[in-house]
Amino acid sequence: NAGVTQTPKFRVLKTGQSMTLLCAQDMNHEYMYWYRQDPGMGLRLIHYSVGEGTTAKGEVPDGYNVSRLKKQNFLLGLESAAPSQTSVYFCASSPQRGGYNEQFFGPGTRLTVL
Amino acid sequence: SQKIEQNSEALNIQEGKTATLTCNYTNYSPAYLQWYRQDPGRGPVFLLLIRENEKEKRKERLKVTFDTTLKQSLFHITASQPADSATYLCALGDDGGNNRLAFGKGNQVVVIP
Repeated sequence: NAGVTQTPKFRVLKTGQSMTLLCAQDMNHEYMYWYRQDPGMGLRLIHYSVGEGTTAKGEVPDGYNVSRLKKQNFLLGLESAAPSQTSVYFCASSPQRGGYNEQFFGPGTRLTVL
Repeated sequence: SQKIEQNSEALNIQEGKTATLTCNYTNYSPAYLQWYRQDPGRGPVFLLLIRENEKEKRKERLKVTFDTTLKQSLFHITASQPADSATYLCALGDDGGNNRLAFGKGNQVVVIP
């Protein structure tokens, strides 16, 4: 059981370039989330998904797009990267079962935009 | 707007003592609160969940309290060990049904041998 995996682990982009971050989970979780973590800012929710084919905006969605074509994968896209998007990106997943449930996080992707 | 506050200063504590962290929130009525541990270069790991109608939860050497009147949660690590050194995040959740969380900035704990 790999849990939540993220690809790539590190990436350096130039301003204006595009890229896609891949998140995969093997726990059959319904819910998936993308966060960014910046020094002094904590974890901020970018987008999330409550099931295959659905996505919703979080706290800081501007400049990002997402897709959830398969239940186990959640993709985060940057169409035209900006230096302000330099950050550590975390993906998480959570089960849909009765009550409130914890989130399981991936190891993160460290992105630098020059 | 909603605000979740954790102490930005690191807590340095002697091994064996109890570490206590505070999470305060405003403009929010959470249905539950969670605590996570984050080590450098790694993703957060879930520790404990406490619901709004619960006063206290325990798990091994960890204890969490939740006071919805004070809008505060306290997180205790008893008999602290150097391996407990990490950053601890509090997170608030609502009744939206999607397990969506709002995180505090985290509070670093350093346990001194």
